[in-house]
Amino acid sequence: GAVVSQHPSWVICKSGTSVKIECRSLDFQATTMFWYRQFPKQSLMLMATSNEGSKATYEQGVEKDKFLINHASLTLSTLTVTSAHPEDSSFYICSAGTGNIEQFFGPGTRLTVL
Amino acid sequence: GQNIDQPTEMTATEGAIVQINCTYQTSGFNGLFWYQQHAGEAPTFLSYNVLDGLEEKGRFSSFLSRSKGYSYLLLKELQMKDSASYLCAVLDSNYQLIWGAGTKLIIKP
Repeated sequence: GAVVSQHPSWVICKSGTSVKIECRSLDFQATTMFWYRQFPKQSLMLMATSNEGSKATYEQGVEKDKFLINHASLTLSTLTVTSAHPEDSSFYICSAGTGNIEQFFGPGTRLTVL
Repeated sequence: GQNIDQPTEMTATEGAIVQINCTYQTSGFNGLFWYQQHAGEAPTFLSYNVLDGLEEKGRFSSFLSRSKGYSYLLLKELQMKDSASYLCAVLDSNYQLIWGAGTKLIIKP
């Protein structure tokens, strides 16, 4: 149980385009979803926290107009990287929580912006 | 500020025992997690400690001392597949996870 999927697992796009990443909790309802970014050899950096049906809470330094987060249902959250640039290339990981302590992580999406 | 410290890299031999330390200074404490992360993959849950003491789970054990702001992850009977990064993360008073930078563990035959 407690499986989280992400799609796509990897994506290559041209600079200036937008990329949407989906995060789904497959066998449970996630009241909260978290979006992280991880650069090589660095730890996870929380970008934003989203609760179903409400606006996401962004961490300091994360542009909410660039990283659009939608949490329309208890099993789906999406992160859209708008007007992507090479510096946005990173490993994006979502996790889902049920209100308990533990977060369940998706397999991650590797984004490469050319 | 909030801070999690753990060694950047450790090397150990297959079959041996290794201890990965983590010290933390956070605003509040609601538990400490250890995660394993293989290169290019998402973290996988190993352990959660909220009370002082040792929690044993197979080859892996995790220890917590809240008064010292200290935890360790103990890996026994090391296998080559244990080569990975091990992340220490603390749940602060706002129930937000504060992550360490991770310890890259290299296992040699």
